[in-house]
Amino acid sequence: QKEVEQDPGPLSVPEGAIVSLNCTYSNSAFQYFMWYRQYSRKGPELLMYTYSSGNKEDGRFTAQVDKSSKYISLFIRDSQPSDSATYLCAMRRYSGAGSYQLTFGKGTKLSVIP
Amino acid sequence: DGGITQSPKYLFRKEGQNVTLSCEQNLNHDAMYWYRQDPGQGLRLIYYSQIVNDFQKGDIAEGYSVSREKKESFPLTVTSAQKNPTAFYLCASSTTSGSSLTQYFGPGTRLLVL
Repeated sequence: QKEVEQDPGPLSVPEGAIVSLNCTYSNSAFQYFMWYRQYSRKGPELLMYTYSSGNKEDGRFTAQVDKSSKYISLFIRDSQPSDSATYLCAMRRYSGAGSYQLTFGKGTKLSVIP
Repeated sequence: DGGITQSPKYLFRKEGQNVTLSCEQNLNHDAMYWYRQDPGQGLRLIYYSQIVNDFQKGDIAEGYSVSREKKESFPLTVTSAQKNPTAFYLCASSTTSGSSLTQYFGPGTRLLVL
């Protein structure tokens, strides 16, 4: 079982739809959870990060973490064509000697159709 | 503007040739990272450095080398020992103190083999 599982999609939705993107993980050592957005042929950009279980909202985006189920989600409300991108979940754990490492999901490719 | 720059945007390598990818940051971050991204495989860590003149191997370091002579710079050399170098290479940086330790990414370099 991989440490982080993410459905690669592709996921296609109409403009204005609510999008749900998900990742599961197996390593209880993961402490911080992040979502990155990556447009084609560009570097990933950080959307949101969260530490505790529960919801964190930022505009049209809501990040949800359920540590008991080892499950994280990103919801996008009122999706726009500009949201079309690959969304990567990432999880951080302490790797020893004062350093931390991120483990990434494979990314879900989202297309929002006008 | 603060950020991470990578050059070149595209790089072509001939058989048996070593090539070096540049990464520079002006965010005053102590830690820097190199990832490789292949289609359908997400991001995989090649090397990382927490401080100047020190670096550690990541999950796929074979065939790569790095140096960290300055805080702002973390060049990656793809050696002839790397038999499948075609990929999208991403550099990132982060702080090493505080709770977030979020990694910020550069725009990437696409390496192609002739």
